[in-house]
Amino acid sequence: IAGITQAPTSQILAAGRRMTLRCTQDMRHNAMYWYRQDLGLGLRLIHYSNTAGTTGKGEVPDGYSVSRANTDDFPLTLASAVPSQTSVYFCASSDSAPGEGGELFFGEGSRLTVL
Amino acid sequence: GQNIDQPTEMTATEGAIVQINCTYQTSGFNGLFWYQQHAGEAPTFLSYNVLDGLEEKGRFSSFLSRSKGYSYLLLKELQMKDSASYLCAVKDSNYQLIWGAGTKLIIKP
Repeated sequence: IAGITQAPTSQILAAGRRMTLRCTQDMRHNAMYWYRQDLGLGLRLIHYSNTAGTTGKGEVPDGYSVSRANTDDFPLTLASAVPSQTSVYFCASSDSAPGEGGELFFGEGSRLTVL
Repeated sequence: GQNIDQPTEMTATEGAIVQINCTYQTSGFNGLFWYQQHAGEAPTFLSYNVLDGLEEKGRFSSFLSRSKGYSYLLLKELQMKDSASYLCAVKDSNYQLIWGAGTKLIIKP
């Protein structure tokens, strides 16, 4: 059982380059999320999608975009990377509606370094 | 603003009991979560509280007091594998999760 798969696991990127982090889940969960995790800070929500075809902005959406063409895939794109986007990125999914409890299932993370 | 407070780091001895506290100030409340995160790994779900009281699950228990904006995670019979960060998160009135920075728990033999 794969759960959530993220790629790449690690990447070093030159500033100004475009980068897409891939996220695929095989659990048929409706809701998917992208978080970034930085030392000393809590997980911060970048973008989310409650169901295929819809997306929403989280706490720190600037410089990032997402799409949700189908249930399984939720890629995150950095149009023009900047050093402040150096972080560990986690994709997550949930099978509950936003108003329900609903634990999150996380991918293994993508460590991105922007130079 | 919204805020989740947890101690940055705690140390405990193998076999002992440790309590990790979490206080929150959020716009509304729709549940509180605890996650465990080993270094270099993804967070994994531990517990969910939406009503006041204690929820027990094996060696781990989680308590919630909504009136005090307070929760704790209690870990009993500590094992070396419990060395990890423990993340507290609250679902606010918009059903968005607000995360604490996490408590790094160090277990010593």
